[in-house]
Amino acid sequence: GPKVLQIPSHQIIDMGQMVTLNCDPVSNHLYFYWYKQILGQQMEFLVNFYNGKVMEKSKLFKDQFSVERPDGSYFTLKIQPTALEDSAVYFCASSFNQDTQYFGPGTRLLVL
Amino acid sequence: GDSVTQTEGPVTVSESESLIINCTYSATSIAYPNLFWYVRYPGEGLQLLLKVITAGQKGSSRGFEATYNKETTSFHLQKASVQESDSAVYYCALGYNQGKLIFGQGTKLSIKP
Repeated sequence: GPKVLQIPSHQIIDMGQMVTLNCDPVSNHLYFYWYKQILGQQMEFLVNFYNGKVMEKSKLFKDQFSVERPDGSYFTLKIQPTALEDSAVYFCASSFNQDTQYFGPGTRLLVL
Repeated sequence: GDSVTQTEGPVTVSESESLIINCTYSATSIAYPNLFWYVRYPGEGLQLLLKVITAGQKGSSRGFEATYNKETTSFHLQKASVQESDSAVYYCALGYNQGKLIFGQGTKLSIKP
């Protein structure tokens, strides 16, 4: 089936630094999402993105977070600056028509 | 707020036995959410197992079934006879028009040979 790729698979970073998580969505998909899962907790919606704009974001999507997809390349989640509580697995997803979402394998982020 | 609650794992079932993983939801901000079951097999990413977008309808895939019951706000996942390859983590999810998904906590299923 369609594949969503995420780069890197793991990232360790010092608190206060910037990190960019990359997502390579399914090629003809138009809607893009980020979810966050802290160890032992539920996967939670962060943000969705369409036509160059954020459509909806949750309260977990702090001011330090930003998303973009410049020129149809990677869909990125940037955190600047990072905090300890940002340690989690971040999942990217994409969909063609807001229906079925296809998920990437996740990026495990550890903030020290 | 809206939420999804499912059977707390881990769940262990013997091969060829039947399975039910319960899922109930609370959807206060949308009258008719879409309902999904996603699955994560060991070493793989999350993938869609089945979905139902109309209340009263049943979805099925790979021998699994789930019926969208609006009266009881439930979407239980069932399979008549499990196989070892069904070992995975199963997630029930509620979907909004904008595409946002609300997930349950996941149920880890192990199949005993």
